[in-house]
Amino acid sequence: DGGITQSPKYLFRKEGQNVTLSCEQNLNHDAMYWYRQDPGQGLRLIYYSQIVNDFQKGDIAEGYSVSREKKESFPLTVTSAQKNPTAYYLCASSPGWAWQETQYFGPGTRLLVL
Amino acid sequence: GESVGLHLPTLSVQEGDNSIINCAYSNSASDYFIWYKQESGKGPQFIIDIRSNMDKRQGQRVTVLLNKTVKHLSLQIAATQPGDSAVYFCAENIGETSGSRLTFGEGTQLTVNP
Repeated sequence: DGGITQSPKYLFRKEGQNVTLSCEQNLNHDAMYWYRQDPGQGLRLIYYSQIVNDFQKGDIAEGYSVSREKKESFPLTVTSAQKNPTAYYLCASSPGWAWQETQYFGPGTRLLVL
Repeated sequence: GESVGLHLPTLSVQEGDNSIINCAYSNSASDYFIWYKQESGKGPQFIIDIRSNMDKRQGQRVTVLLNKTVKHLSLQIAATQPGDSAVYFCAENIGETSGSRLTFGEGTQLTVNP
């Protein structure tokens, strides 16, 4: 099966703890993205990566970090600096960073703070 | 206190009726638009897209209309079925300099009554 996988489905974080969300794709896509979704709201861009070994901040990058060491993987770390981390996190990918590329989404990870 | 984005616009229809979901965009430079469907607990799923050189595009049971004069996008679903119940998002790509970056609307909750 080709697609985007995210794990875990649910994740619990204690105060002051960093947690890492996994995103893997086997679509051979160059570009990958992380979004945050809060109840009743649209998606907001956290970080994106146009190509392996490169990434840029999106609209709400504070308190998050990413890496892109492999084409198929784009993990997101929610650091203790993120004061309101409870949200639904969605990873997406697109074939490239070209204009008018379609983004495809994974199933998401729901992060809850204990 | 202030509540932000807690209540999605909603549309309730009877099974078999046609549904029309609307989306207004503000950036006249936007030239590529996508409709996504998000079921509860899942990531957004691509439905249909349209480029700004078109006014209308049809898919299977869905039609997207683009009115660039008033910056309005609509998604029409024919013969709506219970399985169509979901949140529908429009997303826009704001010109070539933005690469494949998308900006998302807040979404509309569609409920189909049997």
